[in-house]
Amino acid sequence: VQLVESGGGLVQPGRSLRLSCAASGFTFEDYAMHWVRQIPGKGLEWVSGINWNSGSIDYADSVKGRFTISRDNDKKSLYLQLDSLRVEDTALYHCVKDASLNPNSRGGVFDYWGLGTLVTVSS
Amino acid sequence: DIQMTQSPSSLSASVGDRVTISCRASQNIINYLNWYQQKPGKAPKVLISAASRLQSGVPSRFSASGSGTEFTLTITGLQPEDSATFYCQQSYRPPRTFGQGTKVEIK
Repeated sequence: VQLVESGGGLVQPGRSLRLSCAASGFTFEDYAMHWVRQIPGKGLEWVSGINWNSGSIDYADSVKGRFTISRDNDKKSLYLQLDSLRVEDTALYHCVKDASLNPNSRGGVFDYWGLGTLVTVSS
Repeated sequence: DIQMTQSPSSLSASVGDRVTISCRASQNIINYLNWYQQKPGKAPKVLISAASRLQSGVPSRFSASGSGTEFTLTITGLQPEDSATFYCQQSYRPPRTFGQGTKVEIK
């Protein structure tokens, strides 16, 4: 299994960015996927999750209304559109595979993680 | 949201020591508790699911237990390669929240 993120960078507050995650080594359309972020040197915060067919999507309250998760099963890719970025969104964004079909399955596990792509929001 | 609290936030131990990390949930999560290990510059890796189920390939020196609101991760016979930060995570109710992490250093 490989998850490779891209699209991070330095951006001013209020601007937008689109993150991508290329997945390989597993049947992408069979699993839920997530974005989890990590402020450098700090802990982990779940950001958003999407089920296998994009029919169930959820967001952390801190990003609801500003971030949009999506996936393209044909391209085996996961995306995160980040709009109205804030300084506090600065973090390493990991693409994460769920062991389940649905992102809110009780007992679910994040079984594979990408290395992450760094988003820095600063003026 | 369910709050997860780990203790200690960091510890230093010698090779061969037995190390215990605690994780407390703000409400009953039954056994829906996962443990992850993150080494510097690496992505997190799941060690244990369902409070005590060791993932394939994880060394048997790692074990975990607990239910309800109190959980522990134990490393029996600490090895140099165990230097990492460990996180607990509840998967009982969304959002799947993490503890703040416990950094394990080797003396």
